[in-house]
Amino acid sequence: KNQVEQSPQSLIILEGKNCTLQCNYTVSPFSNLRWYKQDTGRGPVSLTIMTFSENTKSNGRYTATLDADTKQSSLHITASQLSDSASYICVVSPGGKLIFGQGTELSVKP
Amino acid sequence: NAGVMQNPRHLVRRRGQEARLRCSPMKGHSHVYWYRQLPEEGLKFMVYLQKENIIDESGMPKERFSAEFPKEGPSILRIQQVVRGDSAAYFCASSPTPEGNTQYFGPGTRLTVL
Repeated sequence: KNQVEQSPQSLIILEGKNCTLQCNYTVSPFSNLRWYKQDTGRGPVSLTIMTFSENTKSNGRYTATLDADTKQSSLHITASQLSDSASYICVVSPGGKLIFGQGTELSVKP
Repeated sequence: NAGVMQNPRHLVRRRGQEARLRCSPMKGHSHVYWYRQLPEEGLKFMVYLQKENIIDESGMPKERFSAEFPKEGPSILRIQQVVRGDSAAYFCASSPTPEGNTQYFGPGTRLTVL
C-alpha cells in the first residue's frame, strides 16, 4: 500500500533555532518527492522537489535530503523565523497522482 | 499571471443540498487535480482532469460526487445531497504537463455541512 509517514506530528521550537522533519514512504514506483509548506487556511506551496537521482536540494533556509534506498527524506530548517510556523507536508509521486503525508505542524515561538 | 483561483472560499450547506466548487487553473495549464483534506488528516487525491476529459477518478467517492473540466470555463467539483462527513477543505491544483510534476495549488474551498 502506498503510504507516506511523517514525524514528529507537531514540533515547537524557539525563533532562531534549527529543526529537522522526517518522512518515510512506501510508494512504488517512485517518481519524485516534494516538500510543501501549508499555512493555516491556505493551499500548499512547493518548497523542494527531488527525483530518484537527487539526494539533496536547497531552497533558502530549507534543505531537503532523500535516501531512495531506505525510502527516507528529511527537511532541515535553519535559523527559524516566526513565519515558518505552518504545516510541512511530505508528498511522494508515483507519477501524476500525489500521495500526501499527514504533515508536521511546526510552531516557532519568539 | 494569476495563480490558481478557487471559489467560493467558504461554503455552508445544509444536509441534502448540493455544493458546487469552482477552480480556475493558472493560465496555460490544462491539467487539473482535486484533493480533499478532512479535519486532522492529510490531503487525499480525488480526481485528475484534462480539458473535457476525466483521466483518473480513482479517489472519487462512487456516489454523489462528480467533476468536470469543460472546454470553456472553470473546473467544477459537484457534491449532491451533502452529508456532514463531506465537511472538509477541497483544494484544486493545476499543472502545465500531464506528468503533474509541478502542481500549483489554489487557496481551497472550505465546505461546512450543517
